[in-house]
Amino acid sequence: DVKVTQSSRYLVKRTGEKVFLECVQDMDHENMFWYRQDPGLGLRLIYFSYDVKMKEKGDIPEGYSVSREKKERFSLILESASTNQTSMYLCASSSGTGEYYGYTFGSGTRLTVV
Amino acid sequence: AQSVTQLGSHVSVSEGALVLLRCNYSSSVPPYLFWYVQYPNQGLQLLLKYTSAATLVKGINGFEAEFKKSETSFHLTKPSAHMSDAAEYFCAVSDQSFNKFYFGSGTKLNVKP
Repeated sequence: DVKVTQSSRYLVKRTGEKVFLECVQDMDHENMFWYRQDPGLGLRLIYFSYDVKMKEKGDIPEGYSVSREKKERFSLILESASTNQTSMYLCASSSGTGEYYGYTFGSGTRLTVV
Repeated sequence: AQSVTQLGSHVSVSEGALVLLRCNYSSSVPPYLFWYVQYPNQGLQLLLKYTSAATLVKGINGFEAEFKKSETSFHLTKPSAHMSDAAEYFCAVSDQSFNKFYFGSGTKLNVKP
């Protein structure tokens, strides 16, 4: 069964900490994405990557960075965590060629910054 | 630019009743349209997709959606709601350049016994 795996389901961090959220996919997908999900706001795109070492800003990149050193892994980095970054973070991947199948999502990481 | 509007953040139906979740989109190019479902504390799962083939699309769990270009709509329906359908549903339109998605704000479906 193909998968997108996020390393943590729940995470609690302190304000000012550097936080790493990891995402790994086993489908050889070119495209990977990080979203945050907040009640009433739906999903908002933070960053995406369409190739190794490539990254593009999404709609809300402030306070975040990303790393994609290998095709299967896409990391989201909170340089200095703040309480307004408390949220559900969802990673997704998709194929960039052929018929479009949509995203495959991970199960999410619920991050609380205290 | 592309965007999605979902009318109604909460919808409540009785078990066995028709489910109708509304989605309107805005797109400057022929869109790809999707419905996803999210159960509590889980990621999103693809329900169905429209990719310019048949305008009536059937998905998993008895759901279907009809693409209506003239109304810029892609509403999700199910003839008879089941308790297990209680979840949050997201409509999305894709950006065809890098497969980038734009999501609606979601509709929480409550199914009453």
